[in-house]
Amino acid sequence: AQSVTQLDSQVPVFEEAPVELRCNYSSSVSVYLFWYVQYPNQGLQLLLKYLSGSTLVKGINGFEAEFNKSQTSFHLRKPSVHISDTAEYFCAVSDKRTYKYIFGTGTRLKVLA
Amino acid sequence: GAVVSQHPSWVICKSGTSVKIECRSLDFQATTMFWYRQFPKQSLMLMATSNEGSKATYEQGVEKDKFLINHASLTLSTLTVTSAHPEDSSFYICSAQQGIGNTIYFGEGSWLTVV
Repeated sequence: AQSVTQLDSQVPVFEEAPVELRCNYSSSVSVYLFWYVQYPNQGLQLLLKYLSGSTLVKGINGFEAEFNKSQTSFHLRKPSVHISDTAEYFCAVSDKRTYKYIFGTGTRLKVLA
Repeated sequence: GAVVSQHPSWVICKSGTSVKIECRSLDFQATTMFWYRQFPKQSLMLMATSNEGSKATYEQGVEKDKFLINHASLTLSTLTVTSAHPEDSSFYICSAQQGIGNTIYFGEGSWLTVV
């Protein structure tokens, strides 16, 4: 079984400051890792994904994440946030065999002017 | 890019009635579709996995007789909430995949309010 932990339920940050959203996972099998963003009253948009290869993954909107196998983490980072980045961010793992997604509880990023 | 569309985006229904939500893959054939529900300020919970032409596989705790899922074609899956009650009010999201190993795309979600 897999599980995903997003320790921070809310992260306030000032505009143009850097941000890191934390994600830790546990799994007895190999998994794929994802970050999704959800804007108010909308579905999910894929930010980035780690399938294999380089542990540093770059996504859309200037976001990147680093897969750390020893720490079972996949933290999301952005060097300079914008007001428009205010949204809910979900980390997810996917079983490589079944492709079922397990989502974390989400982190609400609020960018302040 | 691939697009998955849900309809309706918002629906209000009376308690005891049934409501159907459609999930369509617009520019690819989705061999597998997934249905999730999301309560306010909570994460997405997988309800069921549906493969085209076969019965859906429900997650533990999900009532298959209440949440009817049909995946009759490679571009359409439907979720029918039967005899809806206020506690069924939620945000329902589908996702679709074109074959094992390919990217999964999410729909925009459907808000269901049962009054």
